[in-house]
Amino acid sequence: QKEVEQDPGPLSVPEGAIVSLNCTYSNSAFQYFMWYRQYSRKGPELLMYTYSSGNKEDGRFTAQVDKSSKYISLFIRDSQPSDSATYLCAMSGPLGNRDDKIIFGKGTRLHILP
Amino acid sequence: SAVISQKPSRDICQRGTSLTIQCQVDSQVTMMFWYRQQPGQSLTLIATANQGSEATYESGFVIDKFPISRPNLTFSTLTVSNMSPEDSSIYLCSVGSGRETQYFGPGTRLLVL
Repeated sequence: QKEVEQDPGPLSVPEGAIVSLNCTYSNSAFQYFMWYRQYSRKGPELLMYTYSSGNKEDGRFTAQVDKSSKYISLFIRDSQPSDSATYLCAMSGPLGNRDDKIIFGKGTRLHILP
Repeated sequence: SAVISQKPSRDICQRGTSLTIQCQVDSQVTMMFWYRQQPGQSLTLIATANQGSEATYESGFVIDKFPISRPNLTFSTLTVSNMSPEDSSIYLCSVGSGRETQYFGPGTRLLVL
């Protein structure tokens, strides 16, 4: 089993829909959970960051972490064509721990249809 | 935040040759990271470059293949040596601000023929 699993998509949804992006992981030591957005021909940019379990909201974006299920989600409300990008989940363990390297998912390609 | 630039933005190279990628940051940083992003694959850390010390390489990556320089706190280079088509990838440099924040450069797109 890979450390981080993420469906590569592509995922196409109409403008205004709610988007749900997900990752599963196998390493229970992971404590830091991140979502990056990567536009075509650009580097990834940090979108959301969550420590341990729970929800975090930032505008139209909500990140959820369920450590008991080893499952993280990113929700995008009122999706816009400008949200079309590849979304990478990433996670890591405690600093100084052998698991403190950031592990990335493969990314999900999202297309928002006007 | 950090603004990162990379040169070249893209290149097409012949097998057996080497390419040096430059990474410039607009502020002084202790650690710089080099990643590889192959088509359909996860972003993978190649090595961590600290100023004034040898780079630390991840499993599967060796200094002879990917030599790194870090001459000061705002600049680093990654060389892809003796290239083969399997080295075709996007190479990204990155700087960190704590566990949760990593800023990435725009990437260098390399195609090896």
